[in-house]
Amino acid sequence: DIQMTQSPSTLSASVGDRVTITCRASQSISTWLAWHQQKPGKAPKLLIYKASSLDSGVPSRFSGSGSGTEFTLTISSLQPDDFATYYCHHYKSYPLTFGGGTKVEIK
Amino acid sequence: EVQLVESGGGLVQPGGSLRLSCAGSGFTLSDHYMDWVRQAPGKGLEWVGRTRNKAKSYTTEYAASVKGRFTISRDDSKNSLYLQMNSLETEDTAVYYCARAHSSSGSYYFAYWGQGTLVTVSS
Repeated sequence: DIQMTQSPSTLSASVGDRVTITCRASQSISTWLAWHQQKPGKAPKLLIYKASSLDSGVPSRFSGSGSGTEFTLTISSLQPDDFATYYCHHYKSYPLTFGGGTKVEIK
Repeated sequence: EVQLVESGGGLVQPGGSLRLSCAGSGFTLSDHYMDWVRQAPGKGLEWVGRTRNKAKSYTTEYAASVKGRFTISRDDSKNSLYLQMNSLETEDTAVYYCARAHSSSGSYYFAYWGQGTLVTVSS
């Protein structure tokens, strides 16, 4: 199985900050990686697929990069609506697996 | 607009069974790969299983933790997806989400999510 490791697990930041979250795969997954945002009590929401493709309607302050085993999700200027937990997942092979999540908190 | 609405969650004793449903609207279920993903209280997301679309003969894949106990099926006439859960364990307690997958060059990621239904396994 491919293991996905996210860091940090928690991140404290202020509105307007640039935020970067890292996701590492235990083996190469090319660009078969997606990022999702989840707010408390709500379903996850797709942000990015194929490592760097922004889903429709997602603000341009979100961006993704990487390939192989190392990936990043960047929020260029953190907004109040962005305080949430972010998950990466690979879809290269079965089983599909998620990173442990990164909670972005208000500093 | 794509919508997914899960139902059927509740309290069940260890060793019991439960069937979850996911009603889709705004799209034709038979055209799409569909997944179940769960989230234990206060924990992260865990993929449960997948059914491929009609073109791929509705074949299925499961996580090792549920294989042999859970079965995914669908009723395309009702545009609905199901998760039959047998031999339930306390570790199966979670919110269960259905998700519609989307293809990116032949590989499939979770594109749309339902709101989830809570399953509690406890005596």
